[in-house]
Amino acid sequence: EVQLVQSGAEVKKPGESLRISCKGSGYSFSNYWIAWVRQTPGKGLEWMGIIYPGDSNTRDSPSFQGHVTISADKSISTAYLQWNSLKASDTAIYYCGRIDVLAGAKVDFWGQGTLVSVSS
Amino acid sequence: AIQMTQSPASLSASVGDRVTITCRASQGIRDDLGWYQQKPGKAPKLLIYGASSLQSGVPSRFSGSGSGTDFTLTISSLQPEDIATYYCLQDYNYPWTFGQGTKVEIK
Repeated sequence: EVQLVQSGAEVKKPGESLRISCKGSGYSFSNYWIAWVRQTPGKGLEWMGIIYPGDSNTRDSPSFQGHVTISADKSISTAYLQWNSLKASDTAIYYCGRIDVLAGAKVDFWGQGTLVSVSS
Repeated sequence: AIQMTQSPASLSASVGDRVTITCRASQGIRDDLGWYQQKPGKAPKLLIYGASSLQSGVPSRFSGSGSGTDFTLTISSLQPEDIATYYCLQDYNYPWTFGQGTKVEIK
């Protein structure tokens, strides 16, 4: 069974650093792109970027470039989203998803989401 | 970035009604579009990929159509469990972009 399990909720202060994770199981983690998607309170979905764990190739959205880093460690089947200096506006739920490109590009499995709260 | 304009922003329909949601791309995207359903407090769920292909396990009352710039998600007979927000997502080029979402409620 394909599963993506994300790390738990975080409460941080502005300026702090943070790394959240997404661990895949039930499939060959190295061979599928992983997407990260943000959902701010009461708002829609925003595509942040993707990573191919096999070679750590990434495609970042310009809206998030320079503020967040997407990475992966294929040896432990885990993808990461990292901030060096959080802002209050980073308060959101973050989802990871597996992308299957064999039949178009579809995000066919999703993690449960990680709530990040940033407040002074 | 390609802009995806989704309409309506919300709709209210009766059980059994036919519901249509549209998504328009700011430029042609072939059939590189998916539709996702998100229920409150839950992760999105894939319904349709490649504009018209039904994801395995998704009820056949859901269907997608369109190509180029104009796309449609249709629920042939609305059921109570279909209450959710629906999003389109273009995967034609980077950055991928979502529509703003359509909230579907029962009248």
